[in-house]
This record gives sequence, structure tokens and C-alpha cells, in this order.
Amino acid sequence: KQEVTQIPAALSVPEGENLVLNCSFTDSAIYNLQWFRQDPGKGLTSLLLIQSSQREQTSGRLNASLDKSSGRSTLYIAASQPGDSATYLCAVRRVFYGNNRLAFGKGNQVVVIP
Amino acid sequence: DTAVSQTPKYLVTQMGNDKSIKCEQNLGHDTMYWYKQDSKKFLKIMFSYNNKELIINETVPNRFSPKSPDKAHLNLHINSLELGDSAVYFCASRNNQRETQYFGPGTRLLVL
Repeated sequence: KQEVTQIPAALSVPEGENLVLNCSFTDSAIYNLQWFRQDPGKGLTSLLLIQSSQREQTSGRLNASLDKSSGRSTLYIAASQPGDSATYLCAVRRVFYGNNRLAFGKGNQVVVIP
Repeated sequence: DTAVSQTPKYLVTQMGNDKSIKCEQNLGHDTMYWYKQDSKKFLKIMFSYNNKELIINETVPNRFSPKSPDKAHLNLHINSLELGDSAVYFCASRNNQRETQYFGPGTRLLVL
């Protein structure tokens, strides 16, 4: 059974600081890993997707790395802004033919203080 | 235009009632999902349909019955609601050629 853990559960940083969010998973047989953003009262928005063969993906101020063998991924957000305040969810797709089952962590709840 | 929409957004009801949540996607996607996010914020998959056929059915009480009248809709009917059913239910959809799932805004269900 795949278990996904995200540390820290919650953090607050002053505006301008870099954010480092960690995700670990117990079964390294993954197909891909995704980072989502969840705003209060809203659904999830996909931020970055890393295939199992990739080491990192970048989009603007966001960079996600993947170390499949050690079961870890890190999401870096450079020069944080108050608009980055949200919950960030990590999800892994297990290698299982015929479906796209995602296992989610509980999330990192981020508050960026102006 | 809303990509994945859910109705209602909020649902407060008494224990024992039967209720339905509707989901529609206008993205032309082939696969749709229902997830449950409980009070501890864990997001878990419940069901997945591909072209109106059930392909994932996690360990969910049979009081929960999904129905897909067509590829763009996946509804969730819940019989005999229990207190533990209180959660946020998210619908999502995906193009089978791509990995990214697109989520709806969620339906907040409170069972009293």
C-alpha cells in the first residue's frame, strides 16, 4: 500500500523567502508524481507533474524534484508571495496497468506573511 | 467557462436521508473520478469511470452509488446518510492521453 507523507504540515514564512515543501512515499514503484495547489473552498489545481524517469520539473518560480529510489520529492517556491498562501498536495500515481489511481498526502499548509 | 462543475456546493442534511451530488465536465475528457476529503484532509479516491464504465471502485460502502449517464457526467448518490459521511467530495476528470486530472470546486456535505 502506498503511503504519502508531507512535512511540514503547516508553515508560515515572510514574503520573499523561498519555500521548501517535502513529500515522501513508501513504494518507489510509481508512474509519476504531481504537486497540486488547493485554495480554501476550492478544488485542486495541478502545478507540476514529474514522470518517474525525470528528476525535476520547473514552471516559473516553482521547481519540483524527484528522487524515486529514496521515495522523495521536494517542491521549491522561489521568492514567495502572499498569493502563494494555500495548501500544497503531493500525489503519486502507482504503477498499475489500466487505471490512474492517485495516492495523496495530507498537504503542506502554507501562509506567506506580507 | 467552468471546466469541472459540481452541484450543490454545500449540502446539509439529516442522518438517514438520501442525497445526490452532480458533476459535469465540458473538457471532453474520457475519465471521471469521485474523491472524498475527510476532516483530517486526506483525499482518497472512491470511484473512477472511463467512457461511462466503472474502472475503479475502492472500498466504499454500497450506500454510495455512482452513475454516469454519459461521458460528461458522473453523479454520486448516497443512501441512508451517516455522520461519518460528512466530508468534502471532489469530482475530477482526465483526458486518457494525458496524466493531469482537473478537479471541481468540491461539495461540502454535512450530515447532522
